[in-house]
Amino acid sequence: KNEVEQSPQNLTAQEGEFITINCSYSVGISALHWLQQHPGGGIVSLFMLSSGKKKHGRLIATINIQEKHSSLHITASHPRDSAVYICAVRPSGGGADGLTFGKGTHLIIQP
Amino acid sequence: DAGVTQSPTHLIKTRGQQVTLRCSPKSGHDTVSWYQQALGQGPQFIFQYYEEEERQRGNFPDRFSGHQFPNYSSELNVNALLLGDSALYLCASSFGTGTFNQPQHFGDGTRLSIL
Repeated sequence: KNEVEQSPQNLTAQEGEFITINCSYSVGISALHWLQQHPGGGIVSLFMLSSGKKKHGRLIATINIQEKHSSLHITASHPRDSAVYICAVRPSGGGADGLTFGKGTHLIIQP
Repeated sequence: DAGVTQSPTHLIKTRGQQVTLRCSPKSGHDTVSWYQQALGQGPQFIFQYYEEEERQRGNFPDRFSGHQFPNYSSELNVNALLLGDSALYLCASSFGTGTFNQPQHFGDGTRLSIL
């Protein structure tokens, strides 16, 4: 079982819709990252969270440490938001495993 | 301000060959991490370099090795290539050792195809 599970795997929505992508993890963590990957491979770091909530433009990320769950929200979605969104966690406890990634959520925003 | 740069962008090799991929970190960053991303999968952590030493390593065989230079740039070497090594190889830089608690800045990756 993957330590990081994302849902949904695929999401198609209309321009302007409010988007929610979920990430659940099974281990204690010291940090959680949300990443955006466009076709061709380039990855952009959107947020790094250890608690609470962060907002950047139309993007909002929240994390609930007790429930081991994080959400990424996109308000007023636009076709340029179409990408794969990846959740990655840094397990706590000093392990040497780097970041553990989810498989990603493939988002398509239709005009 | 240059971001993370990787070279080459694409590479085709045959089974059994050896390959070297290169990464220059973002200006001001001193830590480089390498990841392998198979098609349709999330990235997998290979290893991290800081102060020219391998500091952390994921579950990859010894065929995967690396190096970090005094200017913080890094190389990933893969020996005895297998078909399963075909993937996108991503480099990410940050500041400070072992600090995956810092934002990771990614390059565009090197797409390696093994024939």
